[in-house]
Order: sequence, then C-alpha cells, then structure tokens
Amino acid sequence: EAQVTQNPRYLITVTGKKLTVTCSQNMNHEYMSWYRQDPGLGLRQIYYSMNVEVTDKGDVPEGYKVSRKEKRNFPLILESPSPNQTSLYFCASSLGPWTASSYNSPLHFGNGTRLTVT
Amino acid sequence: GDSVTQMEGPVTLSEEAFLTINCTYTATGYPSLFWYVQYPGEGLQLLLKATKADDKGSNKGFEATYRKETTSFHLEKGSVQVSDSAVYFCALSGLEYNQGGKLIFGQGTELSVKP
Repeated sequence: EAQVTQNPRYLITVTGKKLTVTCSQNMNHEYMSWYRQDPGLGLRQIYYSMNVEVTDKGDVPEGYKVSRKEKRNFPLILESPSPNQTSLYFCASSLGPWTASSYNSPLHFGNGTRLTVT
Repeated sequence: GDSVTQMEGPVTLSEEAFLTINCTYTATGYPSLFWYVQYPGEGLQLLLKATKADDKGSNKGFEATYRKETTSFHLEKGSVQVSDSAVYFCALSGLEYNQGGKLIFGQGTELSVKP
C-alpha cells in the first residue's frame, strides 16, 4: 500500500531535549516536505526536499533541521525544542514539486505527529 | 504574498443539508486551487482541484469552480452525510518550479454533520 509513515504519532518532551520525527515513503517520490498545523493558521511549510541531498527552507524553518540522505526518508530534527514548537506535524511527498499541475501526483500526507514541548 | 482565506468554522449541518464552504485567495499569476480533507486522526487527502479559470473540480459529490473574477473557489455539496464530517482545507499553489511545490493553505473549516 502506498503510504507516508511518520513516527511517533504522539510525543511529549521537555524544552531543549533534541528529538527527531521520522518520515518514510514507499512510492519512490522525489519530492518531500514538512508542514506544521496550528489552530487558525492552517498548514505552513517548514522545509522541503526536491531530491536526495537537496533541501530548502519553507516559510517557518527556524528551529528545525532536515536531512535527505535516502530518497525514501526525510526526518525532521528539533535540536533544542521550545514550547512554541508544540504543534501537529505532517510529512508529505509527491512525484515532484510540480505536484500542483499534476492531478496524478497530488501530495500524499502522513497521519501526523502531535508534539508537545513543556 | 499569496494567501487563502476560508470561512470560519465549525459548521454544523443536519444530514442531507446543502453545504457551502467559502474560500477566496490572493495570488500573483494563475495558481492551481485545491480542496483537501482531513478526517479525524488522519493526514490530509486531496479532494478535488482546478488548474485554470472556470474549471470545475469534482469528487465524491463535492464540487468547486475556479472563479478568477471573484478570486474564489467555494466548496459545495448538495446533500451531506455524517461521514463527511471532517476538516476541509482550501489551498493554492503556483506553477513556478522554484516555489518548491509549496501549497499555501487556508486555516481549515471544521464540518460536523448530525444524523
């Protein structure tokens, strides 16, 4: 089954304790992206990756890091989490960044990771 | 910059009622427009899309028409079901490659359908 898998689904941590949220897709997609979802703000892009070893900042990259060493994996790293990073995080993937133009290649989303930083 | 504005929720309807969720956008150029749906505990799924003015996207009984003159992409369904209860997101994306495939989302509208 084609899917984007995020882990963990829920995470509670304390300020300053480094954490990683994993994301893996089994569709051989080149493009992957991280979003955070906050009430009243919708989803905002954190980072994206066009392909292996190619990553770039989205709209809200501060406090986050990513890596793309393999095509299928795109982990999100919080080196020193703070309470304002409490949010619902989504990983997404598609065949390419031209997803908007391709009805056959929409963004596929994972089920989300709810992070609480105290 | 580009933005999307949706009507605020929650929207509560009875089964078989008519649904409209308003969405307007601000964008340079000619973006593609989308509706995504998020069921409880799940990620977002593409519901429908339209890529140019006057296009109508449709899926699962939902429809939305790309109106360039009013910069709108309102979501409609003639008869909602309890299973339609979810959060609906309007989104746009530019066609330029260097935009990184980014989707710009509205804030989401929660729909609750009562039997």
